[in-house]
Amino acid sequence: DQQVKQNSPSLSVQEGRISILNCDYTNSMFDYFLWYKKYPAEGPTFLISISSIKDKNEDGRFTVFLNKSAKHLSLHIVPSQPGDSAVYFCAAIVQGAQKLVFGQGTRLTINP
Amino acid sequence: KAGVTQTPRYLIKTRGQQVTLSCSPISGHRSVSWYQQTPGQGLQFLFEYFSETQRNKGNFPGRFSGRQFSNSRSEMNVSTLELGDSALYLCASSPRVTSGLYNEQFFGPGTRLTVL
Repeated sequence: DQQVKQNSPSLSVQEGRISILNCDYTNSMFDYFLWYKKYPAEGPTFLISISSIKDKNEDGRFTVFLNKSAKHLSLHIVPSQPGDSAVYFCAAIVQGAQKLVFGQGTRLTINP
Repeated sequence: KAGVTQTPRYLIKTRGQQVTLSCSPISGHRSVSWYQQTPGQGLQFLFEYFSETQRNKGNFPGRFSGRQFSNSRSEMNVSTLELGDSALYLCASSPRVTSGLYNEQFFGPGTRLTVL
């Protein structure tokens, strides 16, 4: 039972353009959502998060949007840079449980 | 401040053997969570330890167990290894100071386990 889904295994974007990564979830109990970035041979690193009481959170080039009615969130990266090439994981949690539920990941490649 | 460290980084075992993985959290962090990453299943939560007690558990068989010591270091054990246990095992530490809210988890580099 995949409660968090990232339907695009890979995404290729031109440097300087916008990268949009998508994530869907099924469990309405999730109340906090996160994006992690992972390079090979390293653990995931936290990127940005959003509480279920908000619909948008911005941090520099990164913006996360949450659509609770559609159970959908997205990560926008503008402008995309070569260093953004990595695997991005969407994760969800019921706060207080500390049990992150991850999507399958999307491999983002930024082309110069 | 040093990050989360995991040892060993790479491990090769054969079916039927058992293995113990170690995780040292960030200094001051009292919560340690373990995750398994495989190509087919992605990143899956194994369990969380806080103050030497297992607080949360994922859907894994009893062959997977763990413990936490008084200095917050944690070990994970897998007995009777199967081919499907080949994975990257990630440890994450958290201060876990705010109950009822999410406390950020910081991941280590992982231990790559190969079962032959």
